[in-house]
Amino acid sequence: GAGVSQSPSNKVTEKGKDVELRCDPISGHTALYWYRQSLGQGLEFLIYFQGNSAPDKSGLPSDRFSAERTGGSVSTLTIQRTQQEDSAVYLCASSVATGGAEQFFGPGTRLTVL
Amino acid sequence: AQRVTQPEKLLSVFKGAPVELKCNYSYSGSPELFWYVQYSRQRLQLLLRHISRESIKGFTADLNKGETSFHLKKPFAQEEDSAMYYCALHTGGFKTIFGAGTRLFVKA
Repeated sequence: GAGVSQSPSNKVTEKGKDVELRCDPISGHTALYWYRQSLGQGLEFLIYFQGNSAPDKSGLPSDRFSAERTGGSVSTLTIQRTQQEDSAVYLCASSVATGGAEQFFGPGTRLTVL
Repeated sequence: AQRVTQPEKLLSVFKGAPVELKCNYSYSGSPELFWYVQYSRQRLQLLLRHISRESIKGFTADLNKGETSFHLKKPFAQEEDSAMYYCALHTGGFKTIFGAGTRLFVKA
């Protein structure tokens, strides 16, 4: 079956603009995660969704970042008023509804803020 | 605080040499630890997890609770092992904490 997909694969934007990044998880996976991958910073946890529970937003770096997950499937990560330090690869992953289960990653969206 | 430390950003070894990628964690509970790998132009994927006690592609990792370590080892490195390796700690619920990663370069 299809893996996790993300769009767009690349996004170049100007400082101050808003961007939306999309993630389609594997069908049947109820847990969905967003990470930010920066050089030298590793994988930074941003947010996760599990079923209908309230999302864990503890990793969002500022109130300019938000995410939603509609219908328990597709998720959108929104960054408002982008800054140059937001430039990174944003990864989405999904897993079955078991804590500690293997996470399946998407190809990522490379965001460049000019 | 919950933390994963991978002290080496880059590790370079010759083909056929042993390799050890270090990982130390900080967690007061009972940890679940993983190694993920990202090969060039491929997605990040699970390599192995400590509860399985398995060997994948010749790699093994043993959880040492006394030293709070989960080092990844392979006795004879191959060129195709060149990749970015991330150690990850699952702390309960659904949150997983990743280390900064170690880039392994295996020279011919």
